[in-house]
Amino acid sequence: EDKVVQSPLSLVVHEGDTVTLNCSYEVTNFRSLLWYKQEKKAPTFLFMLTSSGIEKKSGRLSSILDKKELFSILNITATQTGDSAIYLCAVEHPPGGSNYKLTFGKGTLLTVNP
Amino acid sequence: DTAVSQTPKYLVTQMGNDKSIKCEQNLGHDTMYWYKQDSKKFLKIMFSYNNKELIINETVPNRFSPKSPDKAHLNLHINSLELGDSAVYFCASSQFNWGAFFGQGTRLTVV
Repeated sequence: EDKVVQSPLSLVVHEGDTVTLNCSYEVTNFRSLLWYKQEKKAPTFLFMLTSSGIEKKSGRLSSILDKKELFSILNITATQTGDSAIYLCAVEHPPGGSNYKLTFGKGTLLTVNP
Repeated sequence: DTAVSQTPKYLVTQMGNDKSIKCEQNLGHDTMYWYKQDSKKFLKIMFSYNNKELIINETVPNRFSPKSPDKAHLNLHINSLELGDSAVYFCASSQFNWGAFFGQGTRLTVV
């Protein structure tokens, strides 16, 4: 069974701390891994990772994929209260042809206290 | 057991047709959503229902009409389909606005 597991499920830190969020997966026909930030409404797209070992960065956020060990991490440095959100990991793994499949993890709830 | 299930998973249809996508959740959640994910992977909310009541209605053409017969179901009906409607549509549910569980998506292709 295809699955995407995120850990921890929730995390509380203080402003300025660095956090690492984890996402592991077991799917067939892996194509890419996506990170989203979900606040009140729609998740906001953060990164799409397709190749192992290549770090993607956007400001204080960075992410890397390990296709051998089947996981990805999302790092946030110098956290701010505005980083408080649910971070979703999702994996694209089309079964083949024009079929499409995207499996999400349950998310990590990050709370950054002032 | 599937927590949030959408049907169909794939839908190919011609412009101008009317189609529906069904969504059911067995988690006992009060809130359900429809999201649209475009080709750039951006996931945008379309509608949100809480206990059968419409809570969020983003800027979506009125050709899209959600229907919630009970809090476990939120269906999406689309009239007069257009090419630009081609996307993947995700249903989700949550309790207390966090921990949304997503369905596996419905890929809609309008030709």
